[in-house]
Amino acid sequence: EMQLVESGGGLVQPGGSLRLSCAASGFTFSSYWMHWVRQAPGKGLVWVSRISTDGSSRNYADSVKGRFTISRDNAKNTLYLQMNNLRAEDTAVYLCARGYASGYYYTVGYWGQGTLVTVSS
Amino acid sequence: QSVLTQPPSVSAAPGQKVTISCSGSSSNIGNNYVSWYQHLPGTAPKLLIYDNNKRPSGIPDRFSGSKSGTSATLGITGLQTGDEADYYCGTWDNSLSAGVFGGGTRLTVL
Repeated sequence: EMQLVESGGGLVQPGGSLRLSCAASGFTFSSYWMHWVRQAPGKGLVWVSRISTDGSSRNYADSVKGRFTISRDNAKNTLYLQMNNLRAEDTAVYLCARGYASGYYYTVGYWGQGTLVTVSS
Repeated sequence: QSVLTQPPSVSAAPGQKVTISCSGSSSNIGNNYVSWYQHLPGTAPKLLIYDNNKRPSGIPDRFSGSKSGTSATLGITGLQTGDEADYYCGTWDNSLSAGVFGGGTRLTVL
């Protein structure tokens, strides 16, 4: 059974850093583009970032560019999101997501349940 | 402000049909495939439609998708109370080089 399990969320002060992880299982992780999507309290889904199968291609939403870094370790079947210089508006549930199928580089097909990041003093 | 525009809410009676629109531009919907997602609070979103009008395995044919120009539409027939959820459209934006979602539409089955 395919699973995506996020971890690493928590309470952090403005300007602080946090690294999220997403442990993948039940599929060939290295064959899929991976994404991070977030949902602020009471708001809709917002795409954050994506990474190619080998990590050579990465894209970011303008709101996080220069502050967030997406990466992956195919040997460990794990996706990461390093978040620096966090702001209050980054408060959200962060969801890890997989491309729908091998070769789908922007269609998200499967999602984890997310990890909550709260940025507050 | 989302790049893709959806109505905030729609409603219909059980057994009826509803459509949800998603409006974009040539940099996103006009030149890329659209997908649709169902999201119940506290659960993982679920892919309903990909490549404009294809259904993943396990998604009933009550759900359908279409695209015309820079707009897309999700249709749901035979509404059930279990369909009450938030629905999102999504695609890629070539100008932004980023994924984009609509603001979401809350479906109420009266």
